[in-house]
Amino acid sequence: GAGVSQSPSNKVTEKGKDVELRCDPISGHTALYWYRQSLGQGLEFLIYFQGNSAPDKSGLPSDRFSAERTGGSVSTLTIQRTQQEDSAVYLCASSLGGLAGNTIYFGEGSWLTVV
Amino acid sequence: GNSVTQMEGPVTLSEEAFLTINCTYTATGYPSLFWYVQYPGEGLQLLLKATKADDKGSNKGFEATYRKETTSFHLEKGSVQVSDSAVYFCALREGDSGGSNYKLTFGKGTLLTVNP
Repeated sequence: GAGVSQSPSNKVTEKGKDVELRCDPISGHTALYWYRQSLGQGLEFLIYFQGNSAPDKSGLPSDRFSAERTGGSVSTLTIQRTQQEDSAVYLCASSLGGLAGNTIYFGEGSWLTVV
Repeated sequence: GNSVTQMEGPVTLSEEAFLTINCTYTATGYPSLFWYVQYPGEGLQLLLKATKADDKGSNKGFEATYRKETTSFHLEKGSVQVSDSAVYFCALREGDSGGSNYKLTFGKGTLLTVNP
């Protein structure tokens, strides 16, 4: 596609429920990232994929968070047993990978509200 | 580890004023440096970047110069417009050191409001 696509754009869920957030990166981009943006916390790195593998999961806040990527393309971020502190905007980004100078392109984000 | 420090906001200016948003960084290797902008209700967009020391990134009248000696990448614009009102994020991406990942490390963001 022309840009990074994320769905849903907005999600309201009840505390304790599981949610899945989807990311469709720019075609041909091998690197994919998930970030979280919340008030007072800025932009937090969650996980990085190179192809289908995740060499850096250091930002996942707890074992309730997991992510996978299949076919070197679409990625899903899953949050189990959601808590109110999980409320945030979840941003997906992709790049060609490789050199550090390659631009990372962001999607519009998935706004998650846990009530 | 890597880190980015940018000036605290909010910054409020009148139209046509000069803008500077300071950004300094700490990195173990040879990072590339970026400024991203987030307009109200929109996603993050790349504003400009510089990939090596002394490079100047520029876009839409904004400029920033990669200063290795002062580990800085300050954002400047000579004459701001109301449409420049947004949150600005400074970021670094670590250079290739053989197997390191290439995530962006962001500063906390600076809210700029430009009044007519």
